Amino acid sequence: DGGITQSPKYLFRKEGQNVTLSCEQNLNHDAMYWYRQDPGQGLRLIYYSQIVNDFQKGDIAEGYSVSREKKESFPLTVTSAQKNPTAFYLCASSTPGRLNTGELFFGEGSRLTVL
Amino acid sequence: RKEVEQDPGPFNVPEGATVAFNCTYSNSASQSFFWYRQDCRKEPKLLMSVYSSGNEDGRFTAQLNRASQYISLLIRDSKLSDSATYLCVVNSGGYQKVTFGTGTKLQVIP
Repeated sequence: DGGITQSPKYLFRKEGQNVTLSCEQNLNHDAMYWYRQDPGQGLRLIYYSQIVNDFQKGDIAEGYSVSREKKESFPLTVTSAQKNPTAFYLCASSTPGRLNTGELFFGEGSRLTVL
Repeated sequence: RKEVEQDPGPFNVPEGATVAFNCTYSNSASQSFFWYRQDCRKEPKLLMSVYSSGNEDGRFTAQLNRASQYISLLIRDSKLSDSATYLCVVNSGGYQKVTFGTGTKLQVIP
């Protein structure tokens, strides 16, 4: 079955450590996104990528980094520079046509807790 | 003013009731509108698009009012399984212009 796989589902990290969240899709979608969700707030865009080897900062990119070396993969690194990294992270994908119809496909999310 | 605003709720309604949520948006150039459903600690999933003429999918009806810049979602004959958070989503054009509301929580009570 086609879909988006995020790993790990739960992750604990000590302050000062970098951590990388994996996102893989087999939907053949061109665009991929990373969102962050905090209680009482809407999803906020961290980074997005329209094509391989290209990505753009979203609204809250500080303290995060991404790469897009393959169409299927869009990993997110939460660096030690991110001041409040504890959150629910969601990866999504779409194609241009599907985006116009609002269809973002989400992974199941990764819940990061900084101890 | 937030780009997309929703009443966070919770809306507590009995089974079988009809409930409606509104969502206002600030960008008059917004092009497309959607409702997503998010279950507790799960990912959001597209519930339905919102068309200018209004649209219906079973017990769910979505409407758009461009003049007043709001969209609405009506749920008839509420089921326990409708309990979730409903996210309003507005696309103002382009990959980075998809804005999510904070969501409205619905709890359907037996």
